[in-house]
Amino acid sequence: DAGVIQSPRHEVTEMGQEVTLRCKPISGHDYLFWYRQTMMRGLELLIYFNNNVPIDDSGMPEDRFSAKMPNASFSTLKIQPSEPRDSAVYFCASLNGASAYEQYFGPGTRLTVT
Amino acid sequence: SQKIEQNSEALNIQEGKTATLTCNYTNYSPAYLQWYRQDPGRGPVFLLLIRENEKEKRKERLKVTFDTTLKQSLFHITASQPADSATYLCAPSMDSSYKLIFGSGTRLLVRP
Repeated sequence: DAGVIQSPRHEVTEMGQEVTLRCKPISGHDYLFWYRQTMMRGLELLIYFNNNVPIDDSGMPEDRFSAKMPNASFSTLKIQPSEPRDSAVYFCASLNGASAYEQYFGPGTRLTVT
Repeated sequence: SQKIEQNSEALNIQEGKTATLTCNYTNYSPAYLQWYRQDPGRGPVFLLLIRENEKEKRKERLKVTFDTTLKQSLFHITASQPADSATYLCAPSMDSSYKLIFGSGTRLLVRP
């Protein structure tokens, strides 16, 4: 298995632009998580899905952030409009709820908003 | 609110020694606790899980303890190697769900 796939790996955009981050979970995993990591705040959970349905979005910072999971093999995290304080590494992780609690993380997307 | 504390200072040890990392949590009781390893530029990698009714868990050179009275977990790496150098993240569960709260991590440096 290729593991969790995220794209793009790096994104540089200007303040006010829309940013879309993409994630493909491991096949057969029914949970998907979006995290954000910064030096100041560490690794924070933004939202997670079970069987494509959002379960907990209490970590989404504000209405500028939205996440979707249209099918079991694809999820997006969108920021519109982006701001410099959104600069961070965004990770996607997936989990097989039937077998284990361990989360498998993707390589992350490093977002820089200028 | 829930708070997770890990040593913010890097732990610097000699190869072959045992590394011990500490994780303290306050204001709640997690059902389980996980430890992850993170290398620069990469996503975290799962290492071990320990449940609230378990005192100790081992995997090869790794050992984790969970003291629900002290609200503390200790993570040990025996016979440490330079390849063990990384940041180690403690992640207690928010509740009995899959939701985790990650600590800020402790950087371990193993000198050859």
